[in-house]
Amino acid sequence: DQQVKQNSPSLSVQEGRISILNCDYTNSMFDYFLWYKKYPAEGPTFLISISSIKDKNEDGRFTVFLNKSAKHLSLHIVPSQPGDSAVYFCAAALGSGGSYIPTFGRGTSLIVHP
Amino acid sequence: EAQVTQNPRYLITVTGKKLTVTCSQNMNHEYMSWYRQDPGLGLRQIYYSMNVEVTDKGDVPEGYKVSRKEKRNFPLILESPSPNQTSLYFCASSLEAGDGGELFFGEGSRLTVL
Repeated sequence: DQQVKQNSPSLSVQEGRISILNCDYTNSMFDYFLWYKKYPAEGPTFLISISSIKDKNEDGRFTVFLNKSAKHLSLHIVPSQPGDSAVYFCAAALGSGGSYIPTFGRGTSLIVHP
Repeated sequence: EAQVTQNPRYLITVTGKKLTVTCSQNMNHEYMSWYRQDPGLGLRQIYYSMNVEVTDKGDVPEGYKVSRKEKRNFPLILESPSPNQTSLYFCASSLEAGDGGELFFGEGSRLTVL
């Protein structure tokens, strides 16, 4: 049973527009959430994270929103650029004093068209 | 340069021929982990290690072994590889378990078992 779900395997967006990638989780004990970005032939790289005590974290063009009551988080990329084309993995972890074993979603492939 | 190094990057082998994928990190990280990435299944954890001599099973440990004799190294051992272990493997490390921090990934090892 998947604890972290990314229900959209792929997303196609025009350059300059907003990309919204969604992630749902089932374990209400998760208290730390991360997004990773993966290009072909490379390992995933950390993009942005958010603690459960916050509902928003922003880093440049990337913003992550957390809705704890809905067990939902989203990654917004504004404006989207062709270089953002990659697979994005959502991950959730029991971070605060726990064993921190992140659980990953299956990923969403984002394609940004010029 | 801070990095996680995996070897080999590509390997084709035959069923039953023991192999080891090495992983080394130069960041003095306590936590290390192995993942496999398969189409439609995302990143699934195989084994992880909280520190030297401490290892534990992840979600898909069958057919794999690991060891953590030194802090920097975390090899993945396939004693008798089978075709269903054909996959893309990633090693990752983090400063410590429980810090909720980001994982640093290696570039991946693509394994084909014939």
